[in-house]
Amino acid sequence: EPEVTQTPSHQVTQMGQEVILRCVPISNHLYFYWYRQILGQKVEFLVSFYNNEISEKSEIFDDQFSVERPDGSNFTLKIRSTKLEDSAMYFCASSGTGTISNQPQHFGDGTRLSIL
Amino acid sequence: AQKVTQAQTEISVVEKEDVTLDCVYETRDTTYYLFWYKQPPSGELVFLIRRNSFDEQNEISGRYSWNFQKSTSSFNFTITASQVVDSAVYFCALSGGTSGTYKYIFGTGTRLKVLA
Repeated sequence: EPEVTQTPSHQVTQMGQEVILRCVPISNHLYFYWYRQILGQKVEFLVSFYNNEISEKSEIFDDQFSVERPDGSNFTLKIRSTKLEDSAMYFCASSGTGTISNQPQHFGDGTRLSIL
Repeated sequence: AQKVTQAQTEISVVEKEDVTLDCVYETRDTTYYLFWYKQPPSGELVFLIRRNSFDEQNEISGRYSWNFQKSTSSFNFTITASQVVDSAVYFCALSGGTSGTYKYIFGTGTRLKVLA
Protein backbone atom coordinates (compact mmCIF):
# COMPACT_ATOMS: atom_id res chain seq x y z
CA GLU A 1 0.00 0.00 0.00
CA PRO A 2 1.36 3.46 -0.90
CA GLU A 3 2.72 5.42 2.02
CA VAL A 4 3.58 8.96 2.95
CA THR A 5 7.27 9.07 3.81
CA GLN A 6 8.97 11.67 5.96
CA THR A 7 12.63 12.40 6.46
CA PRO A 8 14.45 12.63 8.73
CA SER A 9 12.76 10.65 11.47
CA HIS A 10 14.53 12.76 14.09
CA GLN A 11 16.11 16.19 13.68
CA VAL A 12 18.13 17.94 16.36
CA THR A 13 18.81 21.62 15.72
CA GLN A 14 20.22 24.56 17.63
CA MET A 15 17.81 27.35 18.46
CA GLY A 16 17.83 30.03 15.78
CA GLN A 17 18.83 27.68 13.01
CA GLU A 18 16.76 26.95 9.94
CA VAL A 19 15.31 23.49 9.51
CA ILE A 20 13.64 21.80 6.58
CA LEU A 21 11.38 18.83 7.08
CA ARG A 22 10.74 16.70 4.04
CA CYS A 23 7.78 14.65 2.94
CA VAL A 24 6.96 12.53 -0.05
CA PRO A 25 3.16 12.30 -0.30
CA ILE A 26 1.32 9.46 -1.99
CA SER A 27 1.91 9.95 -5.69
CA ASN A 28 -1.61 10.54 -7.00
CA HIS A 29 -2.76 12.67 -4.07
CA LEU A 30 -3.54 16.33 -4.57
CA TYR A 31 -3.96 17.74 -1.05
CA PHE A 32 -1.07 18.07 1.34
CA TYR A 33 -0.96 18.99 5.00
CA TRP A 34 1.40 19.60 7.88
CA TYR A 35 0.41 19.03 11.48
CA ARG A 36 2.41 19.16 14.67
CA GLN A 37 2.10 17.42 18.00
CA ILE A 38 3.89 18.80 21.02
CA LEU A 39 4.86 15.94 23.31
CA GLY A 40 1.85 14.59 25.17
CA GLN A 41 -0.57 16.95 23.49
CA LYS A 42 -3.05 16.76 20.66
CA VAL A 43 -2.29 16.93 16.98
CA GLU A 44 -2.67 20.48 15.64
CA PHE A 45 -3.20 21.62 12.07
CA LEU A 46 -0.54 23.89 10.61
CA VAL A 47 -1.20 24.30 6.90
CA SER A 48 -2.88 22.77 3.89
CA PHE A 49 -1.60 23.00 0.33
CA TYR A 50 -3.41 22.44 -2.95
CA ASN A 51 -2.69 23.34 -6.54
CA ASN A 52 0.71 24.74 -5.62
CA GLU A 53 -0.52 27.18 -3.06
CA ILE A 54 -1.53 27.37 0.56
CA SER A 55 -5.27 26.77 0.90
CA GLU A 56 -5.49 27.28 4.65
CA LYS A 57 -3.17 27.94 7.57
CA SER A 58 -3.56 28.11 11.31
CA GLU A 59 -2.46 30.79 13.74
CA ILE A 60 0.57 28.66 14.55
CA PHE A 61 1.79 28.97 10.97
CA ASP A 62 3.38 32.40 11.26
CA ASP A 63 6.04 34.08 9.13
CA GLN A 64 8.69 31.72 10.45
CA PHE A 65 7.05 28.85 8.60
CA SER A 66 6.86 28.18 4.88
CA VAL A 67 5.92 25.26 2.68
CA GLU A 68 7.02 24.33 -0.75
CA ARG A 69 6.52 21.69 -3.34
CA PRO A 70 9.83 22.06 -5.18
CA ASP A 71 9.21 19.22 -7.62
CA GLY A 72 6.50 16.73 -8.44
CA SER A 73 7.13 14.52 -5.46
CA ASN A 74 8.45 16.40 -2.42
CA PHE A 75 6.56 18.61 0.00
CA THR A 76 8.66 20.53 2.52
CA LEU A 77 8.10 22.51 5.69
CA LYS A 78 10.72 25.12 6.53
CA ILE A 79 11.13 26.83 9.86
CA ARG A 80 13.41 29.82 9.37
CA SER A 81 14.64 30.55 12.89
CA THR A 82 13.71 27.79 15.26
CA LYS A 83 12.60 28.40 18.83
CA LEU A 84 12.52 26.03 21.77
CA GLU A 85 8.73 25.83 21.50
CA ASP A 86 9.02 24.45 17.97
CA SER A 87 10.13 21.14 19.49
CA ALA A 88 7.42 18.69 18.47
CA MET A 89 6.55 15.81 16.21
CA TYR A 90 5.66 17.09 12.75
CA PHE A 91 3.35 15.01 10.62
CA CYS A 92 2.88 15.31 6.90
CA ALA A 93 -0.35 14.02 5.37
CA SER A 94 -1.86 13.74 1.93
CA SER A 95 -5.30 12.98 0.60
CA GLY A 96 -7.63 13.17 -2.31
CA THR A 97 -7.68 12.00 -5.84
CA GLY A 98 -9.58 13.73 -8.61
CA THR A 99 -12.47 15.79 -7.33
CA ILE A 100 -13.12 13.77 -4.22
CA SER A 101 -11.25 16.01 -1.88
CA ASN A 102 -12.31 14.68 1.48
CA GLN A 103 -10.75 11.28 1.35
CA PRO A 104 -9.03 10.19 4.56
CA GLN A 105 -5.71 11.83 5.12
CA HIS A 106 -2.81 9.43 5.13
CA PHE A 107 -0.13 10.39 7.60
CA GLY A 108 3.59 9.85 7.50
CA ASP A 109 5.41 8.45 10.52
CA GLY A 110 6.44 11.94 11.57
CA THR A 111 9.66 13.84 12.14
CA ARG A 112 10.57 14.47 15.73
CA LEU A 113 12.15 17.92 15.90
CA SER A 114 14.22 18.72 18.96
CA ILE A 115 15.43 22.29 19.43
CA LEU A 116 18.37 22.75 21.80
CA ALA B 1 -16.21 26.89 15.42
CA GLN B 2 -15.39 23.25 15.15
CA LYS B 3 -14.39 21.31 18.23
CA VAL B 4 -13.77 17.73 19.27
CA THR B 5 -13.92 16.64 22.89
CA GLN B 6 -12.50 13.41 24.22
CA ALA B 7 -13.26 13.66 27.89
CA GLN B 8 -11.47 10.45 28.85
CA THR B 9 -7.80 11.24 29.24
CA GLU B 10 -6.72 7.72 30.14
CA ILE B 11 -8.46 4.39 30.48
CA SER B 12 -7.01 1.18 31.87
CA VAL B 13 -8.65 -2.17 31.30
CA VAL B 14 -7.68 -5.76 31.76
CA GLU B 15 -7.20 -7.85 28.66
CA LYS B 16 -10.43 -9.26 27.18
CA GLU B 17 -12.55 -6.51 28.66
CA ASP B 18 -14.63 -4.36 26.34
CA VAL B 19 -13.89 -0.64 26.33
CA THR B 20 -15.63 2.37 24.81
CA LEU B 21 -13.85 5.58 23.91
CA ASP B 22 -16.05 8.64 23.78
CA CYS B 23 -15.95 11.44 21.23
CA VAL B 24 -18.24 14.46 21.14
CA TYR B 25 -17.98 17.03 18.38
CA GLU B 26 -19.27 20.50 17.54
CA THR B 27 -19.71 21.88 14.07
CA ARG B 28 -22.03 24.16 12.11
CA ASP B 29 -21.37 22.34 8.87
CA THR B 30 -24.18 20.18 7.55
CA THR B 31 -21.67 18.02 5.73
CA TYR B 32 -18.74 16.85 7.77
CA TYR B 33 -16.55 13.85 8.34
CA LEU B 34 -15.47 12.09 11.48
CA PHE B 35 -12.41 9.94 11.91
CA TRP B 36 -10.63 7.78 14.42
CA TYR B 37 -6.87 7.38 14.41
CA LYS B 38 -4.66 5.18 16.56
CA GLN B 39 -1.25 6.34 17.75
CA PRO B 40 0.79 3.44 19.11
CA PRO B 41 3.88 4.04 21.27
CA SER B 42 6.00 4.20 18.11
CA GLY B 43 4.26 7.49 17.30
CA GLU B 44 2.72 7.10 13.87
CA LEU B 45 -0.94 7.87 13.19
CA VAL B 46 -2.92 4.92 11.91
CA PHE B 47 -6.24 5.55 10.18
CA LEU B 48 -9.07 3.42 11.59
CA ILE B 49 -12.34 4.74 10.18
CA ARG B 50 -14.04 7.63 8.38
CA ARG B 51 -17.72 8.43 8.71
CA ASN B 52 -19.64 11.14 6.83
CA SER B 53 -22.48 13.10 8.39
CA PHE B 54 -25.13 11.48 6.22
CA ASP B 55 -24.32 7.96 7.21
CA GLU B 56 -25.43 7.10 10.74
CA GLN B 57 -25.09 3.38 10.33
CA ASN B 58 -22.97 1.78 12.96
CA GLU B 59 -19.97 -0.04 11.68
CA ILE B 60 -18.16 -3.11 12.87
CA SER B 61 -14.72 -4.22 11.80
CA GLY B 62 -13.52 -7.25 13.66
CA ARG B 63 -13.20 -6.30 17.32
CA TYR B 64 -13.78 -2.62 16.54
CA SER B 65 -17.17 -0.95 16.30
CA TRP B 66 -18.29 2.64 15.98
CA ASN B 67 -21.52 4.26 17.09
CA PHE B 68 -22.35 7.54 15.34
CA GLN B 69 -25.28 9.52 16.74
CA LYS B 70 -26.00 12.93 15.24
CA SER B 71 -28.65 13.64 17.85
CA THR B 72 -26.00 13.70 20.55
CA SER B 73 -23.09 14.74 18.30
CA SER B 74 -21.16 11.69 19.35
CA PHE B 75 -18.97 9.19 17.54
CA ASN B 76 -17.93 6.57 20.04
CA PHE B 77 -15.49 3.75 19.49
CA THR B 78 -15.74 0.35 21.15
CA ILE B 79 -13.07 -2.31 21.30
CA THR B 80 -14.42 -5.73 22.15
CA ALA B 81 -12.23 -8.25 23.95
CA SER B 82 -9.34 -5.83 24.23
CA GLN B 83 -5.77 -7.01 23.73
CA VAL B 84 -2.44 -5.67 24.93
CA VAL B 85 -1.65 -4.60 21.36
CA ASP B 86 -4.60 -2.20 21.53
CA SER B 87 -2.64 -0.08 23.99
CA ALA B 88 -2.23 3.28 22.30
CA VAL B 89 -3.54 6.81 22.20
CA TYR B 90 -6.73 7.10 20.18
CA PHE B 91 -7.69 10.35 18.50
CA CYS B 92 -11.06 11.35 17.20
CA ALA B 93 -11.01 14.00 14.45
CA LEU B 94 -13.48 16.18 12.58
CA SER B 95 -13.25 17.63 9.11
CA GLY B 96 -15.70 20.08 7.56
CA GLY B 97 -17.15 19.62 4.10
CA THR B 98 -17.73 23.25 3.20
CA SER B 99 -15.52 26.07 1.99
CA GLY B 100 -12.71 23.69 1.23
CA THR B 101 -11.95 23.29 4.91
CA TYR B 102 -10.51 19.83 4.94
CA LYS B 103 -8.14 20.24 7.83
CA TYR B 104 -8.62 17.87 10.69
CA ILE B 105 -9.60 19.11 14.12
CA PHE B 106 -8.32 16.55 16.57
CA GLY B 107 -9.50 15.81 20.05
CA THR B 108 -6.98 15.62 22.87
CA GLY B 109 -6.85 11.85 22.63
CA THR B 110 -7.59 8.99 25.00
CA ARG B 111 -4.70 6.87 26.21
CA LEU B 112 -5.80 3.26 26.45
CA LYS B 113 -3.79 0.87 28.54
CA VAL B 114 -4.66 -2.79 28.24
CA LEU B 115 -3.13 -4.83 31.01
CA ALA B 116 -2.28 -8.50 30.61
